[in-house]
Amino acid sequence: GESVGLHLPTLSVQEGDNSIINCAYSNSASDYFIWYKQESGKGPQFIIDIRSNMDKRQGQRVTVLLNKTVKHLSLQIAATQPGDSAVYFCAEGYALNFGKGTSLLVTP
Amino acid sequence: DARVTQTPRDKVTEMGQEVTMRCQPILGHNTVFWYRQTMMQGLELLAYFRNRAPLDDSGMPKDRFSAEMPDATLATLKIQPSEPRDSAVYFCASGGETQYFGPGTRLLVL
Repeated sequence: GESVGLHLPTLSVQEGDNSIINCAYSNSASDYFIWYKQESGKGPQFIIDIRSNMDKRQGQRVTVLLNKTVKHLSLQIAATQPGDSAVYFCAEGYALNFGKGTSLLVTP
Repeated sequence: DARVTQTPRDKVTEMGQEVTMRCQPILGHNTVFWYRQTMMQGLELLAYFRNRAPLDDSGMPKDRFSAEMPDATLATLKIQPSEPRDSAVYFCASGGETQYFGPGTRLLVL
């Protein structure tokens, strides 16, 4: 069936470096995508979203890129900080499947 | 700052006991979701409601789990009888296209 999945289960980056978390989706009709961040002991929290009529959206230190041709999303975090250490989920709007996410570990 | 609240935050119980988890969605949100999170399975949807009506509970073991929305401000998830394999963190979320998650209920069934 249709699903949203993540390329890498874990990612380790050094503080100050940029991070890129990738996500593939299979439903070509999807028109809305969201990235969530889940810190230890907390529920997932909205970070940034993008609609399918855009290919890039920027927030504060975060950028989401959408490539509809290959059905691929990425989340870029600039100047990664220790507080960015978390599990990141990508999801379609009205998402019902989040999977296991990608764990980002920021090392000093 | 509107938030989804869940109670209890932690629950330890013995196998066979009934467990009730409660959720207060954000006022005005008409869709409420229940998820279970484990290391092995990740974040799994158990059930969700729209305008208090259950839309999908196919992710829930029907023989022991039940989910209800007695009113627009309260959603409940019950497990009876509980089993050790039910140990997990249970999240409630409300919203629509974007979901707003509560802090979760960490359940341990001994």
